[in-house]
Amino acid sequence: KQEVTQIPAALSVPEGENLVLNCSFTDSAIYNLQWFRQDPGKGLTSLLLIQSSQREQTSGRLNASLDKSSGRSTLYIAASQPGDSATYLCAVKPGGGNKLTFGTGTQLKVEL
Amino acid sequence: KAGVTQTPRYLIKTRGQQVTLSCSPISGHRSVSWYQQTPGQGLQFLFEYFSETQRNKGNFPGRFSGRQFSNSRSEMNVSTLELGDSALYLCASSRNPGQTIQETQYFGPGTRLLVL
Repeated sequence: KQEVTQIPAALSVPEGENLVLNCSFTDSAIYNLQWFRQDPGKGLTSLLLIQSSQREQTSGRLNASLDKSSGRSTLYIAASQPGDSATYLCAVKPGGGNKLTFGTGTQLKVEL
Repeated sequence: KAGVTQTPRYLIKTRGQQVTLSCSPISGHRSVSWYQQTPGQGLQFLFEYFSETQRNKGNFPGRFSGRQFSNSRSEMNVSTLELGDSALYLCASSRNPGQTIQETQYFGPGTRLLVL
């Protein structure tokens, strides 16, 4: 059974700091991995999707890497801003179909 | 282009009642998935529908059911509500049933259900 873990569970940083969020998964047979952002009481917004054959994806200040063999992904946020404050979730897709297995999430707070 | 819409946004029910939640996918999307989010269990997959057929089902009791209509709109039903069913219920839509590795799912704002 696929299990996805994210550390740390919570993180508080001053504005402008670069930070790394971690995601690990137990079964390396994945189709892709996605990083999502969730604001309080809201739905999920897709940030980045890394296909199983890719090593990384970039969008603006965000960079996500994937090491499938070791079951790890990281989300790098450069020059953090207060607007980045949210919960970040990683999710793996095991194969055909749209079932996603989500991690436990990292609650990020960027302070002025 | 309108996003995924879910109705109602908030619901309060009592134990033993039943509830129906609705999800309208993005225009042109034919796959709809449902998830339950609770503080204790996080986000858990309920089921997925494509072309009115259930394709995948998560590990939830039979009290949780769903269906999809010919216009791709989907409903989920929870019967005999329990206190533990209090959660944020999210639906997600995608164009296809996940057969391409770069398929992204788009999530709605969720329906928050409180069972008293």
